[in-house]
Amino acid sequence: DGGITQSPKYLFRKEGQNVTLSCEQNLNHDAMYWYRQDPGQGLRLIYYSQIVNDFQKGDIAEGYSVSREKKESFPLTVTSAQKNPTAFYLCASSRTIATEAFFGQGTRLTVV
Amino acid sequence: KNQVEQSPQSLIILEGKNCTLQCNYTVSPFSNLRWYKQDTGRGPVSLTIMTFSENTKSNGRYTATLDADTKQSSLHITASQLSDSASYICVGGGGNTPLVFGKGTRLSVIA
Repeated sequence: DGGITQSPKYLFRKEGQNVTLSCEQNLNHDAMYWYRQDPGQGLRLIYYSQIVNDFQKGDIAEGYSVSREKKESFPLTVTSAQKNPTAFYLCASSRTIATEAFFGQGTRLTVV
Repeated sequence: KNQVEQSPQSLIILEGKNCTLQCNYTVSPFSNLRWYKQDTGRGPVSLTIMTFSENTKSNGRYTATLDADTKQSSLHITASQLSDSASYICVGGGGNTPLVFGKGTRLSVIA
């Protein structure tokens, strides 16, 4: 079953802890992205990667880190430096940065 | 600054009625305009993608238009259904740059 999978769907963490969100795709896409969505707001780009072992900061990269060691995987770590980490996180992939993007179902992170 | 603005912010219509959502974009370089549907708590799903040379594209009851001269796009929904209740997001795409997302229009279809 092809697609893009995010896990877990819901995640709770204590303030000050780092947490890693998983994103896996079996679409053979080169480009992958992480977005953050807050209520009433549009999607904001955190990081993106156009190819394995390479990634670029998006508009709101502070307090986040990523890695792209494998084509199919693009995990996002929310560090304790992120001031307001509670949000809905969306991962996406596309064949290239100019082609149609497919989204995962999202991870809702709550930091208490 | 690249940006996409959508109107209205929210909309309520009766089941069976038509509606049109608007999008103004300032994206440079510009190569394509996309519309996504996002159900609450889910990831967005692509409805249409239009290149700058296309004027209209349909996907079932959804018809998108694009005017590259005025930098405007619209999404028309025909014979609305309860399942159309969702956020509709307009997205501008460049040649080799990340997508620019609008904040979305929240559509509620009521019986």
